[in-house]
Amino acid sequence: DAEITQSPRHKITETGRQVTLACHQTWNHNNMFWYRQDLGHGLRLIHYSYGVQDTNKGEVSDGYSVSRSNTEDLPLTLESAASSQTSVYFCASSDWERQETQYFGPGTRLLVL
Amino acid sequence: AQSVTQLDSQVPVFEEAPVELRCNYSSSVSVYLFWYVQYPNQGLQLLLKYLSGSTLVKGINGFEAEFNKSQTSFHLRKPSVHISDTAEYFCAVSQGGSEKLVFGKGTKLTVNP
Repeated sequence: DAEITQSPRHKITETGRQVTLACHQTWNHNNMFWYRQDLGHGLRLIHYSYGVQDTNKGEVSDGYSVSRSNTEDLPLTLESAASSQTSVYFCASSDWERQETQYFGPGTRLLVL
Repeated sequence: AQSVTQLDSQVPVFEEAPVELRCNYSSSVSVYLFWYVQYPNQGLQLLLKYLSGSTLVKGINGFEAEFNKSQTSFHLRKPSVHISDTAEYFCAVSQGGSEKLVFGKGTKLTVNP
């Protein structure tokens, strides 16, 4: 069955370190998204991509970057982790033909000490 | 920019009681509306969506929602809830064709025996 996976599921890192969160989907979807979920804020869009070599900034992109070298993967990099980036991160994907339904991964819980 | 307001952050109900979770969005042309559910320590799962056509939309697990354009609302209802419906519910909106979702802050539904 097609799916969307995230790794690691849990990560502890230190302030200032570079961290990369992986997202892999086997739906063959064009679109991929990264969100962060924080208490009282719901989900906020960090970056998104509409296809290979395409990336766009979302609402809360400062301190994060993404690259899309193939259809299946959209890794999220925290260039220099900060305590304010402690959060739960969700990856999602969608396809033009599926009428905007986004399918979500299980999430990565990140703690920055 | 689109915005979504979920009027209740927490809704406690007793098992077998009806429930309504409220959602209002900022007015715009051609919006698509979604309700997602998040069970503890999991990703988000689509409950239902409104793209066009009938304003009453039926989803999974016995939930339904009604699109009201004049009131810019998309409230979620279930006539009789179960303990297993305990979860957080998110309303989301996209402007037709953008593929991006804007989420509300979520409503935590707790069903008590």
